[in-house]
Amino acid sequence: GAGVSQSPRYKVAKRGQDVALRCDPISGHVSLFWYQQALGQGPEFLTYFQNEAQLDKSGLPSDRFFAERPEGSVSTLKIQRTQQEDSAVYLCASSHGQNYGYTFGSGTRLTIV
Amino acid sequence: ILNVEQSPQSLHVQEGDSTNFTCSFPSSNFYALHWYRWETAKSPEALFVMTLNGDEKKKGRISATLNTKEGYSYLYIKGSQPEDSATYLCAFKGNTPLVFGKGTRLSVIA
Repeated sequence: GAGVSQSPRYKVAKRGQDVALRCDPISGHVSLFWYQQALGQGPEFLTYFQNEAQLDKSGLPSDRFFAERPEGSVSTLKIQRTQQEDSAVYLCASSHGQNYGYTFGSGTRLTIV
Repeated sequence: ILNVEQSPQSLHVQEGDSTNFTCSFPSSNFYALHWYRWETAKSPEALFVMTLNGDEKKKGRISATLNTKEGYSYLYIKGSQPEDSATYLCAFKGNTPLVFGKGTRLSVIA
């Protein structure tokens, strides 16, 4: 597609529920990144894929967070047993490679109530 | 832990004023410095990717400079317009994925 597409745009979930956030990167972009932006903070790195391989997951805050990109295109970020501190904007970005400019999606605003 | 600092945190200027803000970053393992503009409810938009010490880039009324030896970059906006209101993010690229600052929130008052 023309840009990076994320869905849903907004998600409200009850504490303890599982959520899944989707990212459709630009076609042909091998690198895909997930970032978390909490209120008043800059985007914080979560995880990075090159094609289907998850090369860095050092930013995932706990084992409740899981990301996959099984066919090297669409990626899903899953959060299990959500907590209030998971409320944030989740941004996805893709690029031709780690050392190229990133193109971001509009993000998913997740609110845990 | 890599530290990318931006100042000021927020800024209010009158339409027509020129303004600038700062990004400081580690001077070691430098690969690139990125600037993004992020308007509410939209996706962050890439402004500049800067790699060379002394680099100066320009896009319309917005320009940026880079000093990799001392670890800072300035973003300048000449003749601010209300449509420039946004959060401006800088991000450091070393040997890890991009590390972002907290951003400078600019409000331009008509």
